[in-house]
Parts: sequence; structure tokens; C-alpha cells
Amino acid sequence: DSGVTQTPKHLITATGQRVTLRCSPRSGDLSVYWYQQSLDQGLQFLIQYYNGEERAKGNILERFSAQQFPDLHSELNLSSLELGDSALYFCASSVVEGMNTEAFFGQGTRLTVV
Amino acid sequence: DQQVKQNSPSLSVQEGRISILNCDYTNSMFDYFLWYKKYPAEGPTFLISISSIKDKNEDGRFTVFLNKSAKHLSLHIVPSQPGDSAVYFCAASSYNNAGNMLTFGGGTRLMVKP
Repeated sequence: DSGVTQTPKHLITATGQRVTLRCSPRSGDLSVYWYQQSLDQGLQFLIQYYNGEERAKGNILERFSAQQFPDLHSELNLSSLELGDSALYFCASSVVEGMNTEAFFGQGTRLTVV
Repeated sequence: DQQVKQNSPSLSVQEGRISILNCDYTNSMFDYFLWYKKYPAEGPTFLISISSIKDKNEDGRFTVFLNKSAKHLSLHIVPSQPGDSAVYFCAASSYNNAGNMLTFGGGTRLMVKP
């Protein structure tokens, strides 16, 4: 158990809909990262938050947004869903401190858009 | 533009032999490198890391080698065990003002045959 909790584990929804994925980081971790893994693809960085503020942005679509709340949990909102958005969405957390950059991943949310 | 590449999508090795997984990167700003292991239906788990000030880091059966001039790193697993069968991701990080996001390679699927 990595200590990072993601809910829900599975989500099936129709095209055009909106969903929210939730992530609770490890206790004490201030950074939260969101990654997308499409079928047989590597992990694509979407966005990072640190202590409530957006710190880095990757290949995140305009239809996607995220936020980190005062209790440090994070939500990834996906709207106007398309079939191609079907993927595993991982959340990871870490303590941003010098060179110690190991990130701990949750089990992921498998999103299926039909 | 893929900044971290794992050119071998899969590797098959006999139990007890050495597994060598390779990774190349293009961004000279990367200063910390990590290997993650991923089983099906689970999130990636941290395996081993190396700082750019070192050229080798060993942890039990796992050794990571870094060749900065070639922008190449490799993960050696000796001896390989069937339980090592998983997808291995190479990741790189650079600490900058935007935080310390990890950039992942596409992964190599390792199969260790009994």
C-alpha cells in the first residue's frame, strides 16, 4: 500500500459527460501529480499541484482541469468526454525536498468512455 | 518530443539470468533518474533511483547505471526471478522552479521464464 488513495477505481461513462477523479496523497506529502496512461502507452504527465498551487503543467487538454484543496486532496475533472479519453488515470504524491523526488502512486482510476 | 525513451517494448529472460533494461534521455537538465515497476491493475511502485552525481547505485538484486555523456541509463536485475515479471518504467526529473515532475519512458515489459 503506497498510502495514496484514488477513487473511484473504475468509472464507465458516456461521451459528452463530465467526471471527477479524486486523490488523497500520502500523509505529509504536499505535491500531487496526475498522470494518464492510455492503452499500451507510457505515463503522460498532466499536471502537478504543490500545497494548493499549480506548479507544472504537461499535456493536459483544455477540457481537463484539476485542483488541490486545503486538506491537500486533489480532484481531476474531465469534461466533454471523448472515446479517446478512456485510460488509466494515476495520482502520485511526493515531498518536494531537494533531490528526494520519489513519487508514490495510487492504484489508478480506470476510465472507460462508451 | 519524447525526452525519455525506452526503445525495447519487451524483454524475455530465463530465470536466474541477468535482465538489462535500457533507457535514453535527451534533456541534459535531468539530474535525477528513477525506475518504477508496475504490475497489472496496480500503480507504479518505486524501485531504485540514481542522482546525476553518481554513475552506479545498487540495492540488492537491482543496480542502476548512469552514463551521463551518453545520456543513457540501465537497470540490471541479477538474478532474475519470475516475480520480477512486470512493466518497468524509467523516469527522469529536474528540480526547477516549476517543481519536480517526473518524465516517464514508455515502459519495457519484462517476462522472466521459470
